[in-house]
Amino acid sequence: KAGVTQTPRYLIKTRGQQVTLSCSPISGHRSVSWYQQTPGQGLQFLFEYFSETQRNKGNFPGRFSGRQFSNSRSEMNVSTLELGDSALYLCASTKRDRAGDMNTEAFFGQGTRLTVV
Amino acid sequence: DAKTTQPNSMESNEEEPVHLPCNHSTISGTDYIHWYRQLPSQGPEYVIHGLTSNVNNRMASLAIAEDRKSSTLILHRATLRDAAVYYCILGTSYGKLTFGQGTILTVHP
Repeated sequence: KAGVTQTPRYLIKTRGQQVTLSCSPISGHRSVSWYQQTPGQGLQFLFEYFSETQRNKGNFPGRFSGRQFSNSRSEMNVSTLELGDSALYLCASTKRDRAGDMNTEAFFGQGTRLTVV
Repeated sequence: DAKTTQPNSMESNEEEPVHLPCNHSTISGTDYIHWYRQLPSQGPEYVIHGLTSNVNNRMASLAIAEDRKSSTLILHRATLRDAAVYYCILGTSYGKLTFGQGTILTVHP
């Protein structure tokens, strides 16, 4: 079956712009989580959506937002881009039967490499 | 958030077993212990997870201490393809995997 698909794979934006990243989870998975990976901070949790509702949010400013659609596809948006937002953004989908269940494995996409200049 | 502590790096020879340790002394009773690995330029890949009992799958084994304050990921026969960063993670709340710095595993031919 198809894995997690993230688009685009690479993106270059200018400071002050906004960006939208897309994630298509594995069919049947209702949970999508987003992570930011940088050399200095490692992998950091951004937020998680389950059945179109944000269930958890990491310690990121309000410029980072997301949403999930009825088909479980998710988007994350970063407004007013800063140089420090340059990172690999990873999406993970999980087959949770109920929100909050951590007795599952997450499937990660290849990520979107965002460069802010 | 509960944290995990892992050695920065470990080395192994091909076809030998590898034991990757992890300490998680502040783990709570409902936290699952997850292991993921990441190869360069790829997203993390699930390896194994467990709660209290030892777990085995086709990739690895997970040995969990009786007090759950530490665990060990066991790769039974390391291959060059197992060279990666291995993350020991506590699954603590809604969808959140808290990654640490991980252990860089080098496998020598």
